[in-house]
Amino acid sequence: AQKVTQAQTEISVVEKEDVTLDCVYETRDTTYYLFWYKQPPSGELVFLIRRNSFDEQNEISGRYSWNFQKSTSSFNFTITASQVVDSAVYFCALSDTGAAGNKLTFGGGTRVLVKP
Amino acid sequence: GAVVSQHPSWVICKSGTSVKIECRSLDFQATTMFWYRQFPKQSLMLMATSNEGSKATYEQGVEKDKFLINHASLTLSTLTVTSAHPEDSSFYICSARGGRDSLIGYNSPLHFGNGTRLTVT
Repeated sequence: AQKVTQAQTEISVVEKEDVTLDCVYETRDTTYYLFWYKQPPSGELVFLIRRNSFDEQNEISGRYSWNFQKSTSSFNFTITASQVVDSAVYFCALSDTGAAGNKLTFGGGTRVLVKP
Repeated sequence: GAVVSQHPSWVICKSGTSVKIECRSLDFQATTMFWYRQFPKQSLMLMATSNEGSKATYEQGVEKDKFLINHASLTLSTLTVTSAHPEDSSFYICSARGGRDSLIGYNSPLHFGNGTRLTVT
C-alpha cells in the first residue's frame, strides 16, 4: 500500500524566511508521480509541482524549489523568501500510473503560518 | 488552464435529508473523476473513483449506498449523500482528468474543484 508522511504538522515563520516542508513516501511501484498541493483557508486545492519517479533533477520555479531523493524516498519542498500569502496547508501526494490512474494518496498536510 | 467547477460551495441540511453535489469539467472531457472527503484539520481521503458511463469504484470503508455517485456524461459527476447525518459533515472535493489522449490526460496533474462544505444539523 502507498503511504505519504509529512512529519511536520505546523510551521510558523516570519516573512522573508525560507520554509522547507518534508515529505517521505512509500510505494512498491517503480513508476509513480509526486505532487505538492497548497490549500489556502478558502479550501480549494492548488497544484504546485509534480515530479515523476524517473526524474530526480531538482529544480527551482520562482520561489518554489524541491528536492527529490529517490534513495531516501523523500520529496521535500522549499518556499524561499516566504510571504504572508503563502500561509496555507501544504499537501504532498503520491500517485501511480497503474489502472487507478491518478488516484492520489495524500500526506497529512503541513500548516504553514507566515507572520508579517 | 483546466477548470473544474463544484457546486454548491457550501450546504447546510437537516439530518435525514439527501444532498447532491455536482462536479463539472468546464473545458475538457473528464473520463475519470475522483471524490475526496476531508474532515477538519485532516488530510484528504479518497472516497471513490468515477468513470464515465460505468459504476463508481469505492474505497474500502465507504458505503456505496450512502454516497451515490453518478458520472453520466463526460463533463459531470454527482455525489449524493443520502440520509445525511451529522457525522457526514465534512469538506467534499472532486477532481477530474481526461483520457490518455487528452490534454488533461492520464498523467496530468489532477485539477480540483473548490470543494463543498457540508454541515448536517
